[in-house]
Amino acid sequence: GAVVSQHPSRVICKSGTSVKIECRSLDFQATTMFWYRQFPKKSLMLMATSNEGSKATYEQGVEKDKFLINHASLTLSTLTVTSAHPEDSSFYICSAPAGVDGELFFGEGSRLTVL
Amino acid sequence: KNEVEQSPQNLTAQEGEFITINCSYSVGISALHWLQQHPGGGIVSLFMLSSGKKKHGRLIATINIQEKHSSLHITASHPRDSAVYICAVRAGQFYFGTGTSLTVIP
Repeated sequence: GAVVSQHPSRVICKSGTSVKIECRSLDFQATTMFWYRQFPKKSLMLMATSNEGSKATYEQGVEKDKFLINHASLTLSTLTVTSAHPEDSSFYICSAPAGVDGELFFGEGSRLTVL
Repeated sequence: KNEVEQSPQNLTAQEGEFITINCSYSVGISALHWLQQHPGGGIVSLFMLSSGKKKHGRLIATINIQEKHSSLHITASHPRDSAVYICAVRAGQFYFGTGTSLTVIP
């Protein structure tokens, strides 16, 4: 099956700094990448949808300037949490549809802790 | 109002039991996904359905489009099946259920 590689798996940063999370499609071209956030013991919350070569579409309530998404190539999408605050601490995960059916393939997830 | 409702929220089963997790949705969909999330956080797509039934090993997923309902069945459950199972539907955008936490006891 298709593979989505997400890095870093864990990151700890100081409040006010920016953190970049990368998702790469290793064996397929990901024209679309979905970015999610997950709070403890909660389900996935779709944050935004990125499409290669165009601006990301953000879900209602998600700050575009806080969560910068770039999808500059067919194999790489990035999420940058800018000026991170402790409330941004969360599990962030990406997924991309692949194949004829558009089955979803997920990255391993990134656990962000902002001190 | 949740577009996707899952039940039960939590489920504990004895090894070997037959397990059913249900998902109901209220929107018109193009596809329904069953996802499995293990304690470490990694998510695996188990099934993508738009009609009928699919089977992978001990897992079976069914969908009834008219009733807007899907079920995930696990036959001969095993402790390694312990995970959170999430139902997600695509209706333009994605909607996610709150997940079912399954624990299978040896």
